Amino acid sequence: EVQLVESGGGLVQPGGSLRLSCAASGFTFSSYAMSWVRQAPGKGLEWVSAISGSGGSTYYADSVKGRFTISRDNSKNTLYLQMNSLRAEDTAVYYCAKGCLKQPVDAFDIWGQGTMVTVSS
Amino acid sequence: QSALTQPRSVSGSPGQSVTISCTGTSSDVGGYNYVSWYQQHPGKAPKLMIYDVSKRPSGVPDRFSGSKSGNTASLTISGLQAEDEADYYCCSYAGSYTSYVFGTGTKVTVL
Repeated sequence: EVQLVESGGGLVQPGGSLRLSCAASGFTFSSYAMSWVRQAPGKGLEWVSAISGSGGSTYYADSVKGRFTISRDNSKNTLYLQMNSLRAEDTAVYYCAKGCLKQPVDAFDIWGQGTMVTVSS
Repeated sequence: QSALTQPRSVSGSPGQSVTISCTGTSSDVGGYNYVSWYQQHPGKAPKLMIYDVSKRPSGVPDRFSGSKSGNTASLTISGLQAEDEADYYCCSYAGSYTSYVFGTGTKVTVL
């Protein structure tokens, strides 16, 4: 069964850091781009970051550029999102999503269940 | 990069058809055939319903169809059913710098 399981969310103070993980199973992980997409409470979906299948290319939304770092370990079938200098506006459910191609250009065909990140003092 | 524009809500009776529009620019919707649509029920993860403008993944009912004209993409749900009541989001590839942009979301209500 194709599956994505996120972990690492929680409560963090403004200015703090958090690392999210996404464990993949049921498909050849290195063959597909992966992305993080977030959804603030009661709001719409916002693409956050993407990484190519090899990990050699990374992409970021302007809202997180310079603060978040996406990475992947293809030997462990795991995607990561290192989040630094967190702000209240980063509070959201964070989903990892599998791309349809090796490069992040096409749709997200598999989504995890999401992990909640709350930034508050 | 601004979000793609969708109507806040649409509604229809069971069996009717509804269409959701998704308006962008020549830098996203109009520039690529990488438009996708997602269905999201409350408290659940999004589910892919349409990709590459008009293709349906395996398991998605053929009541769901997609199209594009210029900078506007559309999702049509024919033969509306109670379980179609959900939020729907469009998404477009927007180039190697911006990558992806989502729509503002549309709530579909089955009367």
